[in-house]
Formats: sequence, C-alpha cells, structure tokens
Amino acid sequence: GAGVSQSPSNKVTEKGKDVELRCDPISGHTALYWYRQSLGQGLEFLIYFQGNSAPDKSGLPSDRFSAERTGGSVSTLTIQRTQQEDSAVYLCASSLELVQGGEKLFFGSGTQLSVL
Amino acid sequence: KNEVEQSPQNLTAQEGEFITINCSYSVGISALHWLQQHPGGGIVSLFMLSSGKKKHGRLIATINIQEKHSSLHITASHPRDSAVYICAVLTSGSRLTFGEGTQLTVNP
Repeated sequence: GAGVSQSPSNKVTEKGKDVELRCDPISGHTALYWYRQSLGQGLEFLIYFQGNSAPDKSGLPSDRFSAERTGGSVSTLTIQRTQQEDSAVYLCASSLELVQGGEKLFFGSGTQLSVL
Repeated sequence: KNEVEQSPQNLTAQEGEFITINCSYSVGISALHWLQQHPGGGIVSLFMLSSGKKKHGRLIATINIQEKHSSLHITASHPRDSAVYICAVLTSGSRLTFGEGTQLTVNP
C-alpha cells in the first residue's frame, strides 16, 4: 500500500478482554516495529520484526503481550486480559531494511486503545 | 535519568523566528533520528544522522558524536511547523530509545 496502515484506529474495550491490533506495512518493507505512547509519555519500544522473526521482544511489558508477523507482511499485536494501564496509542512503523542500516522509518497513524 | 533528554520541553515562537531544539544522550549510539508528530498523532521521520549535518528545506539537523548531542534547527519558522519534535537514538540492534519530545508552537 501507499503507507503503513493500522486498524482499528480506535478501540474501546473492557478490562479483562483480549484485543488484537493490526499493522499493514508498506509493501516490500522487511522490518516492522511496534511502539506504544501512553498519555503524556514518550514513545516506548515494544518489539520489532525482521521478516517473520522477532529478534528483540524485550520491550513487551508483560507476558500478556504478544505479536506475530506472517508472510513477511501483516503483523498483529495481541494484548490478553487487558488492564487499564494498557490504554495508549499503539504505533506501528516499517522500514525497507532494519534501521541499523540507516533506513528511514515510516509510521502508521496508530491505534488508540482505551481500556475501561 | 532518561537515556535521551530533550530541551526545551515546550517552545513558543513567533512566525519567522529561528528555532533550536536540543537532544542529549548518555549511551553509545549508532544513529539518531529526528521525528515530527503532528496533532492527531501522525509521525513523520525527518532525519537520520550518524555524523555531521543534514539539511532539508528549512530544517537542519546536526550531531556531535563526541559530545553526545544533536540539534534540530528550523529557519524562518511557520505556524505549520507546530508539532511535537522527538529525538530517538539507535542503541542496540534495531531498538530506538525516544526522548520525551519538544512541543513547538509557532504563532502567526
């Protein structure tokens, strides 16, 4: 596609429910990143993918968070048993190759998650 | 202490003024990114620097690796430059560590 697409743009859920957030990177981009931005906070790294593998999962805040990427394209971030502190904007970005190679990042518009 | 510190946190300027936003970091890095986040949340990558200076239009970014410091300059500022500017450093692998951001408001 023309840009990084995320869905849904907004998600309101009840505490304890599971949610799935989707990211469609730019076609051909091998690297995909998930970040989180809580209200009034800076951006926080969650996980990145090179192809379908995730070399660094250390940013995931708890074992309730998981992510996968299939076919080197779409990625889903799943949060199980959501808590109020999970409320944030979840941002996805992609790059042609890993940013360590000096690649430019392209961001999606984010998913605003609100846990009531 | 955060690994990435930005200053100022908030900046208000009049249209046409020269603006500088600073970023200091305390860790070894392989590259530094400047990002722009507009109201509504969209983030755009402005620059990726590993040394020296880059210029794009009215935007200039510099980095001093020895001093662990980078600056983003905006010449002839315009109200449409109003946004949050975020510094992010590449520390290990492909993991970015972000500053808290600088909220810039340019008044007409």
